[in-house]
Amino acid sequence: EVQLVESGGGLVQPGGSLRLSCAASGFTFNNYALNWVRQAPGKGLEWVSNIGGDAGGTYYADSVKGRFTVSRDNSKNTVYLQMSSLRVEDTAIYYCARRSKTAYFPNWGQGTLVTVSS
Amino acid sequence: QTVVTQEPSFSVSPGGTVTLTCALSSGSVSTNYYPSWYQQTPGQAPRILIYNTNTRSSGVPDRFSGSILGNKAALIVTGAQADDEAHYYCLLYLGGGTWVFGGGTKLTVL
Repeated sequence: EVQLVESGGGLVQPGGSLRLSCAASGFTFNNYALNWVRQAPGKGLEWVSNIGGDAGGTYYADSVKGRFTVSRDNSKNTVYLQMSSLRVEDTAIYYCARRSKTAYFPNWGQGTLVTVSS
Repeated sequence: QTVVTQEPSFSVSPGGTVTLTCALSSGSVSTNYYPSWYQQTPGQAPRILIYNTNTRSSGVPDRFSGSILGNKAALIVTGAQADDEAHYYCLLYLGGGTWVFGGGTKLTVL
């Protein structure tokens, strides 16, 4: 069974940094790309970032480019999202989602809440 | 910047049929965008319903179907049930490792 478990969320001040983790199990980790998707309170889903499998190419939404960095440790079956220069509008639940071999997200974690506030 | 538009809300009677759509700000949605659809209920993570335009995910009831209608992707719910009340999001692949979600549709069954 595929499992994705996010952690690392919390309260941070504007301008601060936070690192999220997503621990994966139930599939051959380095064969799959992973994504981060966020959802602000009461709002819709927003795709944030993607990291490829073994080769690890990285991609970002314009809203986070230059501030967020996605990485992965295939020895730990874990993907990370390093967030810096955080803004109030980055407040959201952050979900980790596995990409299929085509282009959809069949598996999702339960999310971790990031609150950016002074 | 690519914007994907969905109806903000829709209402359907139990047993009725509803078509939710997903439109691109810049042109037509085609199978090349690998449209997929997700259902989200309050407090839960999204759940995949339809992928690659019209393939139903494992365990999804066959009252859910997907297609391209005109220049939009569509999610059709035939014979709506009370537990279909949820938010529905489409997702389009833009290529180059990037995606965009639609704004979501809140479906009410009453």
